[in-house]
Amino acid sequence: DTGVSQDPRHKITKRGQNVTFRCDPISEHNRLYWYRQTLGQGPEFLTYFQNEAQLEKSRLLSDRFSAERPKGSFSTLEIQRTEQGDSAMYLCASSRTDRTSTDTQYFGPGTRLTVL
Amino acid sequence: AQSVTQPDIHITVSEGASLELRCNYSYGATPYLFWYVQSPGQGLQLLLKYFSGDTLVQGIKGFEAEFKRSQSSFNLRKPSVHWSDAAEYFCAGMNRDDKIIFGKGTRLHILP
Repeated sequence: DTGVSQDPRHKITKRGQNVTFRCDPISEHNRLYWYRQTLGQGPEFLTYFQNEAQLEKSRLLSDRFSAERPKGSFSTLEIQRTEQGDSAMYLCASSRTDRTSTDTQYFGPGTRLTVL
Repeated sequence: AQSVTQPDIHITVSEGASLELRCNYSYGATPYLFWYVQSPGQGLQLLLKYFSGDTLVQGIKGFEAEFKRSQSSFNLRKPSVHWSDAAEYFCAGMNRDDKIIFGKGTRLHILP
C-alpha cells in the first residue's frame, strides 16, 4: 500500500497527558499537511511542511502543539498537556508540489483522539 | 476571507434517484476546487478536482461536478445513487501553493 498512513488510528488519553501521532506520507511527496476535524465540521488546517521545513502554522496550533518532519519523510504531531477540547480526528495529507505545479493532497485515515 | 460554503447539512435521496450537492466558494481568484468523500471512521477520498480547462469534471464512482464561475459554484452530481454512496461529502478550495479550505460537509442519506 503506497498511500498515506497514520499511527495510531485511535488514542484515548487522560487530560493533562502528552500524546504523539505519526504520519508517513506517500513516498517522494515533498509536502505534508496536518488538519484537525471535529464532529460535524470539515477539516481545518493546522500546519504544513515542505521537505523538513515547517512553512505555515495556523492560529489553531497553540503552544501545546508541536509538529516535526526531521528528515523530510515522516512527521510527528505532539500535543502536550491535553485538554478535552483537543478531542478530534487528526488528519495527515501529502502532495507533490514544485514551482510549476501543485498536485492533489492525498489524505491518510486519521488518528482519532479522545481526551477524558 | 476565503471560504467554501455547503448550504445543505443533510440530504436524503432514494436509491436510484439523481443527486446534486451544492457548493459555493469565495476566493479572490478562481481556486483549485475539490470534492472529497468520507465514510464513517475513514479518511478523505478524492472524488474529483478542477484546476482549469473543461468546466465539467468527471470523477470516480460515477460522480461529476460543474464549475460555474458566474455563480461561484462547484456542484457535485450523480445521475443514480447507490446505497453505498451514503457518506459525508466535502467541497474544498485551494489557492495554488497553499492549504485546503473545506466546507462543513453534507451528509448524504440513501432511502432504500
